[in-house]
Amino acid sequence: DTAVSQTPKYLVTQMGNDKSIKCEQNLGHDTMYWYKQDSKKFLKIMFSYNNKELIINETVPNRFSPKSPDKAHLNLHINSLELGDSAVYFCASGLAGSTDTQYFGPGTRLTVL
Amino acid sequence: AQSVAQPEDQVNVAEGNPLTVKCTYSVSGNPYLFWYVQYPNRGLQFLLKYITGDNLVKGSYGFEAEFNKSQTSFHLKKPSALVSDSALYFCAVRDGDTGGFKTIFGAGTRLFVKA
Repeated sequence: DTAVSQTPKYLVTQMGNDKSIKCEQNLGHDTMYWYKQDSKKFLKIMFSYNNKELIINETVPNRFSPKSPDKAHLNLHINSLELGDSAVYFCASGLAGSTDTQYFGPGTRLTVL
Repeated sequence: AQSVAQPEDQVNVAEGNPLTVKCTYSVSGNPYLFWYVQYPNRGLQFLLKYITGDNLVKGSYGFEAEFNKSQTSFHLKKPSALVSDSALYFCAVRDGDTGGFKTIFGAGTRLFVKA
């Protein structure tokens, strides 16, 4: 009965590779997010989708491409991985609107060698 | 533009003592304020939020926070700390007037509760 799930939990890869992280939520939410948490634990929003439509795209290199096939899924594809991409990536979901609480997935720890 | 400041990187408190984790914010419109907690190797969990109404908000695990508009603060408090409260705490803000989806998180404050 996991609310927000992400796969994989850990991802170790070489520089220059392309990888994807998947996210699914079973809460019936209409808005999903990707956040990046760096080694200092600073959390920064990357993207947000509402009803499969991109609504937030925060100064993220275009090597990062989110895709939302339906309201319950938001995947993150990263091309040409760089060392600086190493971080923990969190997916979150919520209901549209400023008052909503976000529900976070367990995170995907990406290590680029 | 929205911003959140958590002035303390770390807070140390003895078990049974009251704890306070500080947060100040800046938004152009009405602030919607949130506290989240992150345990090691886990995602963030919602603790409480202030949208409108009573300035004192009660949340999960005995935590509460007080919204102070004049001081633009939303400090997290608990009357009696537990060792299990040790975690990373994030304050977050949204601009209620713009109706946007963007949440800005503070840098986080690590809470250590000593037995």
